[in-house]
Amino acid sequence: DIVLTQAPLSVSVTPGESASISCRSSKSLLSSKGITSLYWYLQKPGKSPQLLIYRMSNLASGVPDRFSGSGSETDFTLKISKVETEDVGVYYCAQFLEYPLTFGSGTKLEIK
Amino acid sequence: EVKLVESGGGLVQPGRSLKLSCAASGFSFNDYWMGWVRQAPGKGLEWIGEINQDSSTINYTPSLKDKFTISRDNAQNTLYLQMSKLGSEDTAIYYCARALRFAYWGQGTLVTVSS
Repeated sequence: DIVLTQAPLSVSVTPGESASISCRSSKSLLSSKGITSLYWYLQKPGKSPQLLIYRMSNLASGVPDRFSGSGSETDFTLKISKVETEDVGVYYCAQFLEYPLTFGSGTKLEIK
Repeated sequence: EVKLVESGGGLVQPGRSLKLSCAASGFSFNDYWMGWVRQAPGKGLEWIGEINQDSSTINYTPSLKDKFTISRDNAQNTLYLQMSKLGSEDTAIYYCARALRFAYWGQGTLVTVSS
């Protein structure tokens, strides 16, 4: 199985500042079709997960452009610019390259 | 508006079975893969499996393949998860989601396995 390792476990951010979350894959997530199958989700407290970023760097519909995704074949970063209080929750990366699909263990974002 | 509503959760005794449902609306259900994800209390997300449009392909996470069965009824716009031989480790919120990006999720249904 592909293992996704997220860091840090938690991050505390002052509103208006930026935050970055790392996700490292045990295997390249670049497919033969040139697509990098890395996804980012946010689970707000008491809510279902919501898609933020698909295929490493594409913003999902309705997601503020304060969120951005980048990376290589195995190392990925979610950046949140100008963090707002509504951004609190747990962020998960996920790989959809091969079965079984797997998620990272999550990074909790808190507001200072 | 895409809507996914899970039902069927509750308290179940160890060793018993339970069937969850996910009612879909707001999109053409038979055009999409559908999947299940679960989350144990205070834990992360675990992919259970997913099913293609005509049920000809179903993929499972290996550890659950012999316990869980995913099915769908396109006429009823409903996804199912049949769970058997339940143990305490299966206590979790169970979410259905529209694959392949999991862009839409239901609100989840809680399954508690306890005597």
